[in-house]
Amino acid sequence: GNSVTQMEGPVTLSEEAFLTINCTYTATGYPSLFWYVQYPGEGLQLLLKATKADDKGSNKGFEATYRKETTSFHLEKGSVQVSDSAVYFCALSLIIQGAQKLVFGQGTRLTINP
Amino acid sequence: DTGVSQDPRHKITKRGQNVTFRCDPISEHNRLYWYRQTLGQGPEFLTYFQNEAQLEKSRLLSDRFSAERPKGSFSTLEIQRTEQGDSAMYLCASSTRGTRFGGYEQYFGPGTRLTVT
Repeated sequence: GNSVTQMEGPVTLSEEAFLTINCTYTATGYPSLFWYVQYPGEGLQLLLKATKADDKGSNKGFEATYRKETTSFHLEKGSVQVSDSAVYFCALSLIIQGAQKLVFGQGTRLTINP
Repeated sequence: DTGVSQDPRHKITKRGQNVTFRCDPISEHNRLYWYRQTLGQGPEFLTYFQNEAQLEKSRLLSDRFSAERPKGSFSTLEIQRTEQGDSAMYLCASSTRGTRFGGYEQYFGPGTRLTVT
């Protein structure tokens, strides 16, 4: 089946630390891959995406590269800020019977301390 | 455009009551999705509309759940005879038609948090 597995949280870092949140996937087809972020009290927002192997998505200093050989899409940021504290969701999408279904991981809660 | 909106934001109901939620998508988006998110988990797909047609329903959507999208604009999700297990955040998302590679993004609303007592 189709599934996403994320690094378990919570993750707590100090400001300016390097961040990696691991994400691996299982898919029957050729998915697109996404990272969504959910800030406290807000809805899900798309952070970045990659639609094919070796694509790199980037936004707000975050990056993730679509690695087909390792079925991974790890999220990285070189220097985190307190404002990056949120829950991060890795997701894949497949077109199934005409619908673009998003399959999410369980989420990783990130807390950045000043 | 202010994005996807959902109403109400919070709903507390007693077990056995019926509830209805509304989602207003971004106006030019013809695709609308409902997801359910329980505490500590990622959202799970419930159902999908393309314009007014409901094209896909998850096994999670029991007979007590019904969704509509009249005229291809706003959508409603009704839960009949609510159970405590229905307590969750119900998320709505919308998107435009994208490429066959599925790379187009879904824009999410703030969600409706349902608590069944």
